[in-house]
Amino acid sequence: GAVVSQHPSWVICKSGTSVKIECRSLDFQATTMFWYRQFPKQSLMLMATSNEGSKATYEQGVEKDKFLINHASLTLSTLTVTSAHPEDSSFYICSATDGPRDIQYFGAGTRLSVL
Amino acid sequence: SQKIEQNSEALNIQEGKTATLTCNYTNYSPAYLQWYRQDPGRGPVFLLLIRENEKEKRKERLKVTFDTTLKQSLFHITASQPADSATYLCRVQGNTPLVFGKGTRLSVIA
Repeated sequence: GAVVSQHPSWVICKSGTSVKIECRSLDFQATTMFWYRQFPKQSLMLMATSNEGSKATYEQGVEKDKFLINHASLTLSTLTVTSAHPEDSSFYICSATDGPRDIQYFGAGTRLSVL
Repeated sequence: SQKIEQNSEALNIQEGKTATLTCNYTNYSPAYLQWYRQDPGRGPVFLLLIRENEKEKRKERLKVTFDTTLKQSLFHITASQPADSATYLCRVQGNTPLVFGKGTRLSVIA
């Protein structure tokens, strides 16, 4: 199956700093990628849909200036958590679709801890 | 409003038994439904897709049914093993592109 690589898998940062998370589709081109947030024992919460070459579409309640998404190529989307605060600590996961079958291929996730 | 419900948060079963997980949806008319597995601290992994015109789909020890009248999908794991312990998510294709159920955490006890 298709492989999505997410990096880093774990990051600790100080409050006020920015953190960038990368999501790459390794063996297929992903015109659309998705970013999720997940709290412990909770479901996936879709944050935004990222389309190559255009602005991301954010879900209601997600601050676009806080969570910057860039999808510069067909294989790479990045999520930057700007001026991170402890409440931003969470598990962030990206996914990409393979197109016609609309199967989501997920990255391994990034655990962000903001001190 | 549109809703996806997975029957229980947690399900414990004895090794060797069949685990049955339920996904009910409201106010969707999905063309298909998908099931994923998520292990702790990992991203979900796709397992099976079933289309609206398919009653049943199988893959090894997994079986999925889809009843569009009841608006329900059942996910079965036969001869369950401790390695099947994980959270299982259903996803309904509908007007909102990406909606997952909250998941059912399955624990298979040896």
